[in-house]
Amino acid sequence: GAVVSQHPSWVICKSGTSVKIECRSLDFQATTMFWYRQFPKQSLMLMATSNEGSKATYEQGVEKDKFLINHASLTLSTLTVTSAHPEDSSFYICSARTQGRGVHEQYFGPGTRLTVT
Amino acid sequence: RKEVEQDPGPFNVPEGATVAFNCTYSNSASQSFFWYRQDCRKEPKLLMSVYSSGNEDGRFTAQLNRASQYISLLIRDSKLSDSATYLCVPGLDTGRRALTFGSGTRLQVQP
Repeated sequence: GAVVSQHPSWVICKSGTSVKIECRSLDFQATTMFWYRQFPKQSLMLMATSNEGSKATYEQGVEKDKFLINHASLTLSTLTVTSAHPEDSSFYICSARTQGRGVHEQYFGPGTRLTVT
Repeated sequence: RKEVEQDPGPFNVPEGATVAFNCTYSNSASQSFFWYRQDCRKEPKLLMSVYSSGNEDGRFTAQLNRASQYISLLIRDSKLSDSATYLCVPGLDTGRRALTFGSGTRLQVQP
């Protein structure tokens, strides 16, 4: 149980285009979802936290207008990188948590590798 | 000040060796921690939880020393597949809304 999927697993896009990444909790309802990114040889950095039906809370330094997060249902959150630039190339990982199932646990998706050319 | 501090390594050990990592933490109110492992270009995977004094799972033993504010991870009989980055992560018991990760400790087990 507690499986989180992400789609796509990798994507290459041209500078200036937008890319949408989906994160799904397959066997549980995710009341809270998190988006992280990781640049090469760096640590995983939290970008934003979203609760179902609410606006996402962004970490300091993360542009909310550039990284659009939608958490419209208890099993799906999307991250859209708008007007992508090469510096947005990174490994994006979502994570999900639910109440009542190991309160302190977060379940991670397999990640999406974004390359902007 | 960082929440946790780990020796970045790399730790290069031969197969079969015993290796220990330490992690010091700054928030004395933290009650729980996790050890995650992360392989290159993969998501972090939960290895062990540490809620009290310690936890053991096969070749892996984690210990929590509240007086000195450090957590350790001991790996016995290292395998090549243990090569990864090991991350010490504070739990969510002090009101954090999400797990936060440091740089971890890189382990390379050599044949």
